[in-house]
Amino acid sequence: GEDVEQSLFLSVREGDSSVINCTYTDSSSTYLYWYKQEPGAGLQLLTYIFSNMDMKQDQRLTVLLNKKDKHLSLRIADTQTGDSAIYFCAEGNQAGTALIFGKGTTLSVSS
Amino acid sequence: DAGVIQSPRHEVTEMGQEVTLRCKPISGHDYLFWYRQTMMRGLELLIYFNNNVPIDDSGMPEDRFSAKMPNASFSTLKIQPSEPRDSAVYFCASRLLYNEQFFGPGTRLTVL
Repeated sequence: GEDVEQSLFLSVREGDSSVINCTYTDSSSTYLYWYKQEPGAGLQLLTYIFSNMDMKQDQRLTVLLNKKDKHLSLRIADTQTGDSAIYFCAEGNQAGTALIFGKGTTLSVSS
Repeated sequence: DAGVIQSPRHEVTEMGQEVTLRCKPISGHDYLFWYRQTMMRGLELLIYFNNNVPIDDSGMPEDRFSAKMPNASFSTLKIQPSEPRDSAVYFCASRLLYNEQFFGPGTRLTVL
């Protein structure tokens, strides 16, 4: 069945780059998403990438997609303490209805 | 727009009681999703609606769970009777066609 896997924790120092990795199983996924969840809040869409792209950059965020290996990564440059949150990878099909979420990666940024 | 609105934000109840969670989606959105988040299982899709019609309820754990969407601006998720293992954060999200899902702040449910 469909599954999205992420590592559970990542700890970095302020100013370093963070790389959060994700693998998915559904090769028919059309969209891949990164959501951010801050404490006590809902999920907020950070960025997304179409499956026919291999990279997308948006300010400090860089998304890399290796469709052959079904591997997605999110790189945050110059990580700040305000980036501390849980980051969820999700895949969606062309109909764009239900998303399959990973369990989330908790990013901890120390000063 | 105020975004997706959920109520209550926190609910504490005793085992066996009925619990009703409420959601108001963003105006104009035609999809509504209910998710449950726990430490053990992460974020699980329970059910989603399109134009007020339930499309997929395969994620609803048991018959104790039911969801309704009587109109485009309101949905409920009901648990009757509630059990301690239902304790979780329940999220509602809405979406317009192929666009991103917008999440509400969630309802933290504790069943004692």
